[in-house]
Amino acid sequence: TQLLEQSPQFLSIQEGENLTVYCNSSSVFSSLQWYRQEPGEGPVLLVTVVTGGEVKKLKRLTFQFGDARKDSSLHITAAQPGDTGLYLCAPGSLADKLIFGTGTRLQVFP
Amino acid sequence: DTEVTQTPKHLVMGMTNKKSLKCEQHMGHRAMYWYKQKAKKPPELMFVYSYEKLSINESVPSRFSPECPNSSLLNLHLHALQPEDSALYLCASSHGGSGNTIYFGEGSWLTVV
Repeated sequence: TQLLEQSPQFLSIQEGENLTVYCNSSSVFSSLQWYRQEPGEGPVLLVTVVTGGEVKKLKRLTFQFGDARKDSSLHITAAQPGDTGLYLCAPGSLADKLIFGTGTRLQVFP
Repeated sequence: DTEVTQTPKHLVMGMTNKKSLKCEQHMGHRAMYWYKQKAKKPPELMFVYSYEKLSINESVPSRFSPECPNSSLLNLHLHALQPEDSALYLCASSHGGSGNTIYFGEGSWLTVV
């Protein structure tokens, strides 16, 4: 059972464009994490959001946790080729059981 | 040191072979994980060890056998695998509990021929 659905599944854009990735669920989570997996690497944690409505910024990346704590979004401003990778959301509230969402594969062309 | 080290990076094995994947971390983490990742898909959880004991098995076939010899090491023993088991196998570790950061290794690419 996939708890988290991400959209879009795949995104191919030019350098400098903006984009938003969504992570949706019908379940309420106490926290939610975003990971990025670059080609040939394991996933790396980008951020954990905890409070409903919370917004966190990491350079050009803006993360928002929905008010009802069922969904989240990731907005990238002025995307760069280095942003290329697989973006994964995961509920941070399942104790040791980290289950990833369906993933969004981003390709940024120079 | 936030490193999880996996060996080998690449492994090719026949369906009758027995091989092992190895994982090591020295961060004092009490939880260690095995994930399987097929091309263009997210990683899927296979096993979780907590304090060197198997705590979660996500209904993984018995041809995959995990082992945790001590708090720093995690092995995945492979026997009688099928070609569809070819994938990237990721090891990870964390302090455990909700919302903790999970640190991943670079993975072992497995090809079953």
